[in-house]
Amino acid sequence: NAGVTQTPKFRVLKTGQSMTLLCAQDMNHEYMYWYRQDPGMGLRLIHYSVGEGTTAKGEVPDGYNVSRLKKQNFLLGLESAAPSQTSVYFCASSSLTDTQYFGPGTRLTVL
Amino acid sequence: SQQGEEDPQALSIQEGENATMNCSYKTSINNLQWYRQNSGRGLVHLILIRSNEREKHSGRLRVTLDTSKKSSSLLITASRAADTASYFCATVSGNTPLVFGKGTRLSVIA
Repeated sequence: NAGVTQTPKFRVLKTGQSMTLLCAQDMNHEYMYWYRQDPGMGLRLIHYSVGEGTTAKGEVPDGYNVSRLKKQNFLLGLESAAPSQTSVYFCASSSLTDTQYFGPGTRLTVL
Repeated sequence: SQQGEEDPQALSIQEGENATMNCSYKTSINNLQWYRQNSGRGLVHLILIRSNEREKHSGRLRVTLDTSKKSSSLLITASRAADTASYFCATVSGNTPLVFGKGTRLSVIA
């Protein structure tokens, strides 16, 4: 039982490059979330999903896209990376709106 | 906008002392949750308190909720160096996802 896993753990991109972050959970949770955390800040919600095939915008969705083709996976895409997207990205999952279980994070640097 | 606001932003105490962190929020909630984050790691859930509850305990943790004041407090008793971390409150309102505050950085000095 791995919980929530994220791939990759670290990544460096050049401005304008694209990439996809993968989140996987094995707890059969309906809800999945993508957050970003910047220094000295709490977590800000980028996008979330309340079930397979559904996605919704969070607080800071611009510049990101997501897909939830399978219940256990939630992908976060950056189509054209910008330095402002340098951050630590966390994925989480939950059963309804109760306790969230977090992955270990992906540290992304955009040069 | 962030719903929960923790206070203080940073707290430094000696090992064995109690640590109290507060959280204020703006709208009515279904539940309020506290999480811990060790440096560079993901968040770990500590405790959930529902809007119809006033107090909950879990080991050395005590959480209170005052819905009339829209505030909550997290008390860690007999703190240890291993309690050094950032602590976040998060609220759930209706069907919207958790909204996190900016956290309190707790340092426990041995």
